[in-house]
Amino acid sequence: DGGITQSPKYLFRKEGQNVTLSCEQNLNHDAMYWYRQDPGQGLRLIYYSQIVNDFQKGDIAEGYSVSREKKESFPLTVTSAQKNPTAFYLCASSQGAGAGELFFGEGSRLTVL
Amino acid sequence: AQTVTQSQPEMSVQEAETVTLSCTYDTSESDYYLFWYKQPPSRQMILVIRQEAYKQQNATENRFSVNFQKAAKSFSLKISDSQLGDAAMYFCAYRSPYYAGGTSYGKLTFGQGTILTVHP
Repeated sequence: DGGITQSPKYLFRKEGQNVTLSCEQNLNHDAMYWYRQDPGQGLRLIYYSQIVNDFQKGDIAEGYSVSREKKESFPLTVTSAQKNPTAFYLCASSQGAGAGELFFGEGSRLTVL
Repeated sequence: AQTVTQSQPEMSVQEAETVTLSCTYDTSESDYYLFWYKQPPSRQMILVIRQEAYKQQNATENRFSVNFQKAAKSFSLKISDSQLGDAAMYFCAYRSPYYAGGTSYGKLTFGQGTILTVHP
């Protein structure tokens, strides 16, 4: 089945540690996105990528980094510079930057201890 | 920058009744796309319905329909014959079009969400 796979579903991190969230898609989509979801604040865009080897900062990129070395993969690293990393993270993809909707993974819950 | 506002943090409806969720947005673009997504307790985001701004006809998907008022920048979702499975968080979202050489890049901007409770 085609879809988006995020891992791990749950992740605990100590303060000062970097962690990487995985996002893989087999939909052959060009564009991929990372969103952060906090209670009462909806989804906010962290980074997005329209093509391989290219990505752009979203609205809340500070303390995060990404790479797009392969079309199907868009990992997100939450660095120690992120002041409040505890959140639910959603990865999404779309056919392109046109009219198509975004397809979402099941999300990853990161908790900083 | 585009903004999306959902002014109803919570709504409730009786099973089999109709409920309308509100959404307004702010943009200077003339061509764009609007979506309603549903997020049940599993937290999986599910597309409910989409609307292209250039289309005057309101989109409909079974029990779900929208009232798209472009001049007023309003995009409400109507759920008819509400079912228990409709209980979820609903997000309104705006997608910028992509223009070659521009910076819009088809970003999707979300509202804050509306929690819908369905009473049996």
